[in-house]
Amino acid sequence: RKEVEQDPGPFNVPEGATVAFNCTYSNSASQSFFWYRQDCRKEPKLLMSVYSSGNEDGRFTAQLNRASQYISLLIRDSKLSDSATYLCVVKTRTGGFKTIFGAGTRLFVKA
Amino acid sequence: NAGVTQTPKFRVLKTGQSMTLLCAQDMNHEYMYWYRQDPGMGLRLIHYSVGEGTTAKGEVPDGYNVSRLKKQNFLLGLESAAPSQTSVYFCASTEDNEQFFGPGTRLTVL
Repeated sequence: RKEVEQDPGPFNVPEGATVAFNCTYSNSASQSFFWYRQDCRKEPKLLMSVYSSGNEDGRFTAQLNRASQYISLLIRDSKLSDSATYLCVVKTRTGGFKTIFGAGTRLFVKA
Repeated sequence: NAGVTQTPKFRVLKTGQSMTLLCAQDMNHEYMYWYRQDPGMGLRLIHYSVGEGTTAKGEVPDGYNVSRLKKQNFLLGLESAAPSQTSVYFCASTEDNEQFFGPGTRLTVL
């Protein structure tokens, strides 16, 4: 079983739609959680951190469920520019810190 | 600030050839990383460094070596390239929790 699992998609949605991605992680000792965005043939960039209380940044909402060991990303009012791959990232302290990247979920937003 | 830069951007090697990928950062970060990214897989850590003069193995270190002689530079070497090393290589540096990535190097080994 992978330490961080994501539905690879692709998710094809029309502009204006709401779309949600989930990510599960296997290590209950995981401490920090993030969503990164990666455009085609580009490097990953931090989209947002995920806090236990949930957090929102404009049209993006991230939530963490420690009991079920998953994090989610909700995108409201999708824009064409949201088309990208979204990477779930989990940081675990086992000796030193270990950062695990999910394989990513691809999103296509269509006009 | 240029952030994190990588050279070269593209390279084609023949099996058995050697090469060095250079990563440079101007953010004065202590931690630097080398990852590879393959289709359907997440970024996998090859080697990392917690400071000048120190390096450590990551998840997939075999076939690679690294050096961190200067704080701003992190070099990744392939001594004898194999087709299995065809991939996109990303360098990153970190401050606190956010990792800053370079633009990547696309390597093909024939």
